[in-house]
Parts: sequence; C-alpha cells; structure tokens
Amino acid sequence: AQKITQTQPGMFVQEKEAVTLDCTYDTSDPSYGLFWYKQPSSGEMIFLIYQGSYDQQNATEGRYSLNFQKARKSANLVISASQLGDSAMYFCAMRDRNSNYQLIWGAGTKLIIKP
Amino acid sequence: GAVVSQHPSRVICKSGTSVKIECRSLDFQATTMFWYRQFPKQSLMLMATSNEGSKATYEQGVEKDKFLINHASLTLSTLTVTSAHPEDSSFYICSAETTGGQETQYFGPGTRLLVL
Repeated sequence: AQKITQTQPGMFVQEKEAVTLDCTYDTSDPSYGLFWYKQPSSGEMIFLIYQGSYDQQNATEGRYSLNFQKARKSANLVISASQLGDSAMYFCAMRDRNSNYQLIWGAGTKLIIKP
Repeated sequence: GAVVSQHPSRVICKSGTSVKIECRSLDFQATTMFWYRQFPKQSLMLMATSNEGSKATYEQGVEKDKFLINHASLTLSTLTVTSAHPEDSSFYICSAETTGGQETQYFGPGTRLLVL
C-alpha cells in the first residue's frame, strides 16, 4: 500500500537559515507524482512544488527546491533563506495509479520561523 | 493562474439546517474537483471526488445522502451538508484539478462550519 511519511511533527528554525522538511514515500507504481503544500494558520492549502517520478532533475520554484532521491524514496523540501512568513504546516503528498490518482497525504510538519 | 475560490469562508448554523458550500475554479476549467474535511491538527481527509456531469464518487464511510455534491459545470462544484449536526462542525476544503500533463490540485481557502 502506498504511504507518505513525514517524521518531523514540528520544527523551529532561525530566520534566514535554510530548512529541510523530510518526506519519504512508498509505492509499487513506477509512475507517480510528488507534491508539497503549505497551509498557513488561515487554512488555505497553497501548492508549492511538484516532482514527477521520471523527472531527471530536482524541481525548483523560487526559494523552494525538492531534494528527490528516487532510490531512497525520499522527496525532501528545502526552503532557502527562510522568512517569518514561512511559518505554517507543510504537507507532502503523492499520487499514483494505486491511489487512482488521488492524493495520499503525509501527516504534516509544523514549521515555525524564529526572528 | 489556477485560482480556486470557496464560499462562504465561515458559517454558523443551527442543528437540523442545511448548508451549501460553493467551490469555483476562477481561471481554468476543472473536470474533476475534490472535497476534503480536515480535523484540527490533522491532514486532509478526502470525502468525495466530483466529476462534471456525473455523480460524485464518495469515500468509504462518507454518507452521500448527508453530503450532497453537485458538479454542475466545469468551474463549479457545490457541497451541501444536509440536516447538519454539531459533529459535522469542521473545516471543509475543496480543490480543482488542472489537466494536461502535470495534474495538480489547487485548493480553495476553505470553509469553517460550526453547527450549534
């Protein structure tokens, strides 16, 4: 069965430092997609970045990059130069044929940026 | 691009009444929309998948007569919580899926429902 694991329930990071949020996944499907979403306290889910299983390069979007290690089945999110506004819950999600292409969600990591 | 609106953002209602929540994709067409429920400090729980022009597909344990879903057009899906009870109080959030290559779900801002 497919599964998403986020092992860090919470993290404190000093402003301007880089932060890595861990995500490991499990699937038997060679074709899958990995997503990261940010959920501030207001509740909306904000799409951050996507990585396809066949993508040769790690995805990047501004200050966000995805450290995709396929053999280890990990898809860690890296936020460079963290800002106070980065404080939020972060969810890793995956979709594949086994999930009928629905998103399977991790439990989330609460990130707090300290000034 | 890929903006999804959801209305209302907050609603308080009396037990026994019905509440309708609208989800709209503002700048793209979405053949598939999703409805989620989120309990405090938890991840999203998929309730149902809504396909334009056809009946919604409900997840196990979700009562389709309780949570009515209508996907009337490529930009609008509605969730009606019928005969709401206090245990239906929750955060409901919808998403609309883009098509063509990287299918990505974009989410609305969510609706906080409180049933008294």
